[in-house]
Amino acid sequence: GAVVSQHPSRVICKSGTSVKIECRSLDFQATTMFWYRQFPKKSLMLMATSNEGSKATYEQGVEKDKFLINHASLTLSTLTVTSAHPEDSSFYICSARQQASTDTQYFGPGTRLTVL
Amino acid sequence: AQKVTQAQTEISVVEKEDVTLDCVYETRDTTYYLFWYKQPPSGELVFLIRRNSFDEQNEISGRYSWNFQKSTSSFNFTITASQVVDSAVYFCALSPPIYNQGGKLIFGQGTELSVKP
Repeated sequence: GAVVSQHPSRVICKSGTSVKIECRSLDFQATTMFWYRQFPKKSLMLMATSNEGSKATYEQGVEKDKFLINHASLTLSTLTVTSAHPEDSSFYICSARQQASTDTQYFGPGTRLTVL
Repeated sequence: AQKVTQAQTEISVVEKEDVTLDCVYETRDTTYYLFWYKQPPSGELVFLIRRNSFDEQNEISGRYSWNFQKSTSSFNFTITASQVVDSAVYFCALSPPIYNQGGKLIFGQGTELSVKP
């Protein structure tokens, strides 16, 4: 139980294009999903908290117009990196919190984004 | 302010050795949750344990054990008889309850464990 998937696992794109990353909870409903960014050899940095049916809450310093988050259903949240630049290259990880279990986050396998 | 400190950046052991990963946290909340996650080279974070602030009982799961001490604000993780497959980055994390900041996870910097054959 508590499986979270991400798609794609790897993506390479040209500078200026937009990239969409999907995060799905496969066997549970997630009212809340989280998006993190991780640089090499570093810890996870929370970008935003996504609640189903409402606007995402972004952490300080995260550009909401650049990192668009949509949480349209209880099993799917998407992160769109708009007009990507090389500095956006990173490992993006989502997590989902079970509706019934209030505090444990289960993580997806991550998406490696490379912007050329 | 809430903070998690994992002072050990890297640890290297030889297979079958015991190893302890330290985690010290700071919080003013009386109710909070502590977690350990494992991140193998594949990148996915694997949930290992969740402990609430009112439960100071130590826990053992196979070769893994956790020592939670509120008096020292520590939540240390011990691997007994380490194996090569234990090589990974281990993260300790703290979260307040959902009604406080939405239960956001505050991660430590991680400890990279390398178990050599």
